[in-house]
Amino acid sequence: NAGVMQNPRHLVRRRGQEARLRCSPMKGHSHVYWYRQLPEEGLKFMVYLQKENIIDESGMPKERFSAEFPKEGPSILRIQQVVRGDSAAYFCASWPGIAGGRGYEQYFGPGTRLTVT
Amino acid sequence: DAKTTQPTSMDCAEGRAANLPCNHSTISGNEYVYWYRQIHSQGPQYIIHGLKNNETNEMASLIITEDRKSSTLILPHATLRDTAVYYCIVRLWSGGYNKLIFGAGTRLAVHP
Repeated sequence: NAGVMQNPRHLVRRRGQEARLRCSPMKGHSHVYWYRQLPEEGLKFMVYLQKENIIDESGMPKERFSAEFPKEGPSILRIQQVVRGDSAAYFCASWPGIAGGRGYEQYFGPGTRLTVT
Repeated sequence: DAKTTQPTSMDCAEGRAANLPCNHSTISGNEYVYWYRQIHSQGPQYIIHGLKNNETNEMASLIITEDRKSSTLILPHATLRDTAVYYCIVRLWSGGYNKLIFGAGTRLAVHP
């Protein structure tokens, strides 16, 4: 897991505020996945991005959630007008892409724990 | 997506082998079996993966049945630090990328 950075590690927001979660992948990795983990549950896929492109957002809620991975800088998961049900741990995973071989795995960051009060 | 079934929890004595089973009866021919673990709400950690053959690395061994409908993760000498939730995942390759589908996992408790 070393090398994948997420910040902040803990984030507290009041209902209606915006939350911005950042993920810097491992050096040389240009692919990022975001997953959400509700308390006492397994991780759920949200979105897969390559630099400047959203490839698969089938796990993203249709409203209030968006993600980006710009050419420069970290990937950002943005949640607008947060509600209590958004409280969860959000993990990003870094991947070098298929050019790295089919055996290369996703390397997870430490997560951001979002609490909505 | 092929689904996996794992026991909810297991216990293991420190120093003994931990054998974690996983059923994936609907797995297709080109889907890999992956194991990850999550220690106390940290980010998941890759352990091992396989397609058909048994695999071994410095962390664990993976035994896949001949019909590929089930597998077993073996931690040969469990330590207290192996206490974690272990996820068996059948990896979906679609469009040239791998989307991991996590189930509830097995909560392994290693005790002295």
